[in-house]
Amino acid sequence: LAKTTQPISMDSYEGQEVNITCSHNNIATNDYITWYQQFPSQGPRFIIQGYKTKVTNEVASLFIPADRKSSTLSLPRVSLSDTAVYYCLVGAVNQAGTALIFGKGTTLSVSS
Amino acid sequence: GAVVSQHPSRVICKSGTSVKIECRSLDFQATTMFWYRQFPKQSLMLMATSNEGSKATYEQGVEKDKFLINHASLTLSTLTVTSAHPEDSSFYICSAKLTTAPNTEAFFGQGTRLTVV
Repeated sequence: LAKTTQPISMDSYEGQEVNITCSHNNIATNDYITWYQQFPSQGPRFIIQGYKTKVTNEVASLFIPADRKSSTLSLPRVSLSDTAVYYCLVGAVNQAGTALIFGKGTTLSVSS
Repeated sequence: GAVVSQHPSRVICKSGTSVKIECRSLDFQATTMFWYRQFPKQSLMLMATSNEGSKATYEQGVEKDKFLINHASLTLSTLTVTSAHPEDSSFYICSAKLTTAPNTEAFFGQGTRLTVV
């Protein structure tokens, strides 16, 4: 289980690009990096997953340097509706290797 | 993506009573489902893994007699909070994956807000 470190909170304004960095120095060779988003009083939702370099989808981009010891979730032009908690998961599973284990996450607050 | 649905979305019960929460996979079969609880401003805490047709696997510190899990079909798992007390008030969330392999996406229900009065 790779330990991840991400900022507790971040503030932004509408229209700005937000980059949330996650440190995972002990990432294992077969670990992927996965980000989930959780709105208040809702279950988490998968955003993006990557192994190396860059991954982009309709919601976000994920940048992973060659050493894979960190990763950055990039949200382009955020809106108020992007206010949520963002979780970075790396090799974060229980002993059986099946269930996701969540860390503290980053609370992103977007203001107008 | 796949859909996981929970019912009810919120429930209030009296102390000492039992409450059942249902978790359904609507468009796929889930041999394994997961139950989490989340206190305000905290992260999700894994409670147990629900296995279809067999006993649930509980995480350390979770009372199996308090939180009864039944996974009678490939699309339904239930969590029953027995003899609920105010400290059991929390947000309960279920999850399922298309496969149990690591690195596969997990789909979460919308959560159930339990308030014990």
